[in-house]
Amino acid sequence: SQKIEQNSEALNIQEGKTATLTCNYTNYSPAYLQWYRQDPGRGPVFLLLIRENEKEKRKERLKVTFDTTLKQSLFHITASQPADSATYLCALNTGGFKTIFGAGTRLFVKA
Amino acid sequence: GAVVSQHPSRVICKSGTSVKIECRSLDFQATTMFWYRQFPKKSLMLMATSNEGSKATYEQGVEKDKFLINHASLTLSTLTVTSAHPEDSSFYICSGKPLAGGESGTDTQYFGPGTRLTVL
Repeated sequence: SQKIEQNSEALNIQEGKTATLTCNYTNYSPAYLQWYRQDPGRGPVFLLLIRENEKEKRKERLKVTFDTTLKQSLFHITASQPADSATYLCALNTGGFKTIFGAGTRLFVKA
Repeated sequence: GAVVSQHPSRVICKSGTSVKIECRSLDFQATTMFWYRQFPKKSLMLMATSNEGSKATYEQGVEKDKFLINHASLTLSTLTVTSAHPEDSSFYICSGKPLAGGESGTDTQYFGPGTRLTVL
């Protein structure tokens, strides 16, 4: 079955450093992949979408890579700030309308 | 842009009662809306996909008679939890896909803020 794996352990980094989160998937070839941010008790907020024919995408301090051979996406936040502390979800389109989500990685940025 | 609202944000009800949750896309039209359920520190679990003007498609294991979904217009979908029981307590989140346009075309889902349901 299709599976998405994100680091279940929280990632703790110092303010100003680059945070790198990993999303691995198996048994599927998604047309695109998305990253969302979720704060406690809130709905996810869309951040970036990257398509299978794109290697990298950037938006302000965010960068996403997509390696369809490794079946992996990396999500980077440069010059991280305490306000970046949240859970980050990886999501794959599985064809048609359906999207499946990873469980997310919790990021803590210390001042 | 691409704002989705949910109402109520929090509801507490007695066992056996029904609860309706509204999901509205405020600045875009959504032919497709999704309803998810999320448990603490767990992934979003898709419950059903609803298309405007037609019956919802439910995921395996989700009781359609218990979780009634109506998508009456391009900007409104409702989820009614009928005869709620304590095990239905959860965080319910809706999302909508734009009809057209937006940063990533029609591929991205935009989520509401969620509704915390507690059944006593």
